[in-house]
Amino acid sequence: GAVVSQHPSRVICKSGTSVKIECRSLDFQATTMFWYRQFPKQSLMLMATSNEGSKATYEQGVEKDKFLINHASLTLSTLTVTSAHPEDSSFYICSAAGGSEQFFGPGTRLTVL
Amino acid sequence: GQQVMQIPQYQHVQEGEDFTTYCNSSTTLSNIQWYKQRPGGHPVFLIQLVKSGEVKKQKRLTFQFGEAKKNSSLHITATQTTDVGTYFCASGNNRKLIWGLGTSLAVNP
Repeated sequence: GAVVSQHPSRVICKSGTSVKIECRSLDFQATTMFWYRQFPKQSLMLMATSNEGSKATYEQGVEKDKFLINHASLTLSTLTVTSAHPEDSSFYICSAAGGSEQFFGPGTRLTVL
Repeated sequence: GQQVMQIPQYQHVQEGEDFTTYCNSSTTLSNIQWYKQRPGGHPVFLIQLVKSGEVKKQKRLTFQFGEAKKNSSLHITATQTTDVGTYFCASGNNRKLIWGLGTSLAVNP
């Protein structure tokens, strides 16, 4: 299957700082990437759909000014958590659409102190 | 909107026992996908079913799609400790997937 990388894999930051997470499709071009959030022992919650060259589509209840998404190329999408707070601590996973399935990155565990 | 219900939420089995997780929807699904997420890992695609009544097998895993395309099941025969993880069903396409809540499987050696 296709390979999707995500960086960083783990980040600890102070409350009030911003954190950028990168998602790259390594061996294919992804016009659409997805950003998910997963709390411990829970399902994946879709935050937004990132489309190359256009604005991201956010799910209901997800603040677009809080979670900035940029999809500047066919292989890279970034999620920036702005002014992070402890409640933003979570596992963030990106995926890239390839055919009918989605290929997931390894995830980024964010801890906000 | 479309929802996919998945049961059970947790299942604890003895190694060698069988395991089944079920997904149900009140509306007809265009397809059903199954993913496995190991503890600490990310979801990995297992299979997609699209036809009514379709049955697919992968070694000890059997996937079924109901005749009405409203339910699906994943059955594992003779579980092994390597089967530990959370199994998710999902439905949709490469633009959006609707996810079940997942079934976490624990296997006692």
